Amino acid sequence: EVQLVESGGGIVQPGGSLRLSCAASGFTFNIYEMNWFRQAPGKGLEWVSYISNNGKSRYYGDSVKGRFTISRDNAKNSLYLQMDDLRVEDTAFYYCARGPFYDFWGQGTLISVSS
Amino acid sequence: IVMTQTPVSSPVTLGQPASISCRSSQSLLHSDGNTYLSWLQQRPGQPPRVLIYKISNRFSGVPDRFSGSGAGTDFTLKISRVEAEDVGLYYCMQATQFPWTFGQGTRVEI
Repeated sequence: EVQLVESGGGIVQPGGSLRLSCAASGFTFNIYEMNWFRQAPGKGLEWVSYISNNGKSRYYGDSVKGRFTISRDNAKNSLYLQMDDLRVEDTAFYYCARGPFYDFWGQGTLISVSS
Repeated sequence: IVMTQTPVSSPVTLGQPASISCRSSQSLLHSDGNTYLSWLQQRPGQPPRVLIYKISNRFSGVPDRFSGSGAGTDFTLKISRVEAEDVGLYYCMQATQFPWTFGQGTRVEI
């Protein structure tokens, strides 16, 4: 059974940092590209970042470019999102999803950026 | 690429059809010949779920009452006969060009 489990969420002050993790199981992680999406409470969906199966290609949404870094460890079947210089508008549920067609999603982890 | 969905809200009657439109600000035809337009459903309190990918391909387990169509910049999701479990938000999303973008969502309610 394919499973994606996000962790690392919490409350952080503006300007702070957090690292999200996504533990994958039930499939051959190293052949799939992966993505992070987010959804602010009561708002629509937003794509955050993409990483290729070998980690060599990475893309970011305009709102997080230069502040967030996506990475993966295929030996640990894990996906990460390093979030720096967090802003109030980064408050959202963050989901990891399996590519290429985001057919499986985790349950999400909540990031709250507040002073 | 800006994605625009209509309507914003769609009151429906059980057993009746429903339709959601999605328009992109530029063609979603990729240089590889594919059009990376997907439809996602989000039920209340749940993460999103992809129903349709590449315009009209249903994922395994998606009821055949859901269908997608369109080309270029105009796309449609149709529900042939709405069931109670179809209540929720529906989003179109393009993955032809980075940054990937979503429509603002359409709420389907009974």
